[in-house]
Amino acid sequence: DIQMTQSPASLSASLEEIVTITCQASQNIGNWLAWYQQKPGKSPQLLIYGTTSLADGVPSRFSGSRSGTQYSLKISRLQVEDIGIYYCQQASSTPLTFGSGTKLEIK
Amino acid sequence: EVQLQESGPGLVKPSQSLSLTCSVTGYSITSNYWGWIRKFPGNKMEWMGYISYSGSTSYNPSLKSRISITRDTSKNQFFLQLNSVTTEDTATYYCARYTDVMDAWGQGASVTVSS
Repeated sequence: DIQMTQSPASLSASLEEIVTITCQASQNIGNWLAWYQQKPGKSPQLLIYGTTSLADGVPSRFSGSRSGTQYSLKISRLQVEDIGIYYCQQASSTPLTFGSGTKLEIK
Repeated sequence: EVQLQESGPGLVKPSQSLSLTCSVTGYSITSNYWGWIRKFPGNKMEWMGYISYSGSTSYNPSLKSRISITRDTSKNQFFLQLNSVTTEDTATYYCARYTDVMDAWGQGASVTVSS
């Protein structure tokens, strides 16, 4: 199975701050990487697919990038509605696997 | 707009089977793929498997022979059955539409395995 190592496990940041979450894949997954946001009490929602493509309705302050087998999610100006848990997921091969999640809070 | 809704018992006894239904509206399950994902207490997420538009299936090997995903196209529903459950199967179970990634999710069904 492909392991996705996500960091940090939790993050507290101020409004308008830049936030970065990373995932390291245990092998080459190309651009087959997605990010999900799970707000409190809600189901996960697709944020980014194909490493860099924003899902419908996702604000442009979210962006994704890749360097080798390391993938990053950046929130350029943190807003209060961004609190929740963020997960990466590799879509390269089954079994699909997720990162362990990053809990994002407002400082 | 596609909508998914999970339903089923919230409490299952150890060694019994867990059965959940995902009802889909706004989109036919004879297109795309349809999967089950679960989130354990402590936030770990696990992909369980999917059923395709043609009815073929793919399962997470970690679930070995305990899992079965089936469908009823006349009702636009698909189903999860997980056999021989233990307390470690306590989780929130989500159904989702799968197109390389999960682009639409149900609201989740909380299932507790306890005697």
